Amino acid sequence: SAVISQKPSRDICQRGTSLTIQCQVDSQVTMMFWYRQQPGQSLTLIATANQGSEATYESGFVIDKFPISRPNLTFSTLTVSNMSPEDSSIYLCSVFSPVLAGLHSGANVLTFGAGSRLTVL
Amino acid sequence: KNEVEQSPQNLTAQEGEFITINCSYSVGISALHWLQQHPGGGIVSLFMLSSGKKKHGRLIATINIQEKHSSLHITASHPRDSAVYICAVRRETSGSRLTFGEGTQLTVNP
Repeated sequence: SAVISQKPSRDICQRGTSLTIQCQVDSQVTMMFWYRQQPGQSLTLIATANQGSEATYESGFVIDKFPISRPNLTFSTLTVSNMSPEDSSIYLCSVFSPVLAGLHSGANVLTFGAGSRLTVL
Repeated sequence: KNEVEQSPQNLTAQEGEFITINCSYSVGISALHWLQQHPGGGIVSLFMLSSGKKKHGRLIATINIQEKHSSLHITASHPRDSAVYICAVRRETSGSRLTFGEGTQLTVNP
């Protein structure tokens, strides 16, 4: 299954600034998902990033606050804009990727990046 | 009421105990995932189920589609199993998007 490199792993930012998080996948995938996990809570989907079209945002999330780029089938970025302390969270990207060989060949496996822990002061 | 509910929220066990974490959902699904999140934040996919039962090492996952219920079992638990276990469903009407449970914090003491 796919391997995702996500960076930065963590950052401490000042209020009002912006931070861009990158995810690089070692294989081509159609959709990439961006999640937020606020302290003590489970994951919330921010948006689905498709190559060649605008991202699809979930209710409560807007493009001006969380612009997403998807220039090709292996890479995506999420920017957290004009940050406030309420944006302090772990941000994760995720893909479904096919298992290419072995017992589960053909199945789609859910793979996550390692997460970016963001603290906004 | 959340569409995906897990129980218990917190679970403390002694090493070697048999552990069960439950997940109930209220929507039609195409698949259910069990995920493991360690304190550093990284998430690993343990199982994807659409029916029946799967086993991997000391982990067993079952699903009952009629009852809209899944369980994750850990046999011979070990302190390294301490993590948050998250149930997530792919709704029939939402394509690849997932809906997550709140997670179960498991602590296994030596």
